[in-house]
This record gives sequence, C-alpha cells and structure tokens, in this order.
Amino acid sequence: DAGVIQSPRHEVTEMGQEVTLRCKPISGHDYLFWYRQTMMRGLELLIYFNNNVPIDDSGMPEDRFSAKMPNASFSTLKIQPSEPRDSAVYFCASSPGRGGSRRDTQYFGPGTRLTVL
Amino acid sequence: KQEVTQIPAALSVPEGENLVLNCSFTDSAIYNLQWFRQDPGKGLTSLLLIQSSQREQTSGRLNASLDKSSGRSTLYIAASQPGDSATYLCALQGGSEKLVFGKGTKLTVNP
Repeated sequence: DAGVIQSPRHEVTEMGQEVTLRCKPISGHDYLFWYRQTMMRGLELLIYFNNNVPIDDSGMPEDRFSAKMPNASFSTLKIQPSEPRDSAVYFCASSPGRGGSRRDTQYFGPGTRLTVL
Repeated sequence: KQEVTQIPAALSVPEGENLVLNCSFTDSAIYNLQWFRQDPGKGLTSLLLIQSSQREQTSGRLNASLDKSSGRSTLYIAASQPGDSATYLCALQGGSEKLVFGKGTKLTVNP
C-alpha cells in the first residue's frame, strides 16, 4: 500500500483565499483524522471520521474550517477565507480502529505545509 | 482534560550513548500510550504502542515503559546512532479514538 497520501505538499496563498487540502487514507482503514501542527501549539486534532461520518469536530478552530469525507477513499479540509494564523502543517492520518490487525495505530501522511501571506 | 508534557524539548548526545526520553501525563485513565518519530518535513511514524494493561514494549534498540500510577512513560534508546536523530512524540489515547500529543523532544545524535 502507498500509505496515506496528501496533496498538495506545499501551498502558498494570500489572505482571504480559499484553501482545500486533500487526503487519501489507507485502503480498509475505518478512521480518518485531520491534525494541525505549529511550533506554538504542537500537534492538535481538528476532526476525525469513522466510516465517513464525522465523529468529533471539537478541535476545528472556527467556522472558516470545514471537512468532508464523501467516500472511504477521500477527504478534504477546507479553509475559507484563509488567514495568516492558519499557517501550519496539516496532517491526515488513518487507522484501522480497534478491530484492526494492528489496533489503534495511526498512520500519518507526509503533511501539507500551508503558508498564508 | 489530558495534558502531555515532554522534557527536555531538545537533547544532544554523542553516538553510542544510551538515552531516555520522558513523557508525563495528567490523566491516568488511558487506553494506550504511543511513541512516534517525526523526521524533518515528514509525517509521523509509530514506534511503539503500550496498552494500558502493559508495563513496557520493546522493538530492537527501543524500549518504552508505562507507569500509569505516576503518570509517566519513558522511551529508552540503546546505543544511539546518528540515524536516530529526529523528534520523538508521545501520545495518549483515552476512551475515544483521539490522540493527545506532547510537543516532542528533538534528539540529535552526533557522530
């Protein structure tokens, strides 16, 4: 398996623009997670899905952020409008869940480095 | 609310040294504890996972321990190598699938 795939790897945009980050989880994984990593706050969970359904979005900073998972092989994280304080590395991870052969381990993608000018 | 602390934030050691990375947490009601490695510009790679009923896990030169009563975990790296240079993160899982991460310890192993 290719692992978790994220695109783009780097994104530079101007304040006020819409940004869409994409993720393809590992096939067969039931859980998908979106994280944000900054120097100040470390790695924070934004939202996670189970079988394409959002379970916990309490980490989403505000209404400018939205996430969707239209099917088991694709998820998006959208920021509209973007602001300079959104600059961070955004990671997607997937997990087989507690019924999987390697229970609970989350597999991370390489991340998208977002810079909002 | 679970809080995870990793001290020190950075550590530099000569090659061949044995070392210990520390992780402390405030809520002992955990499902498991995981140690991850992050290389610059890369994602996280899971190293070891300790279930709450376990005391330690080993993989090669790595050994992780868990003491829930004291709210502590350690990651022991034996005979360190320059290739071990990376940031090591500790993460705890409670009753849901959510992981709470520490901010990590940046390890540099000097040849």
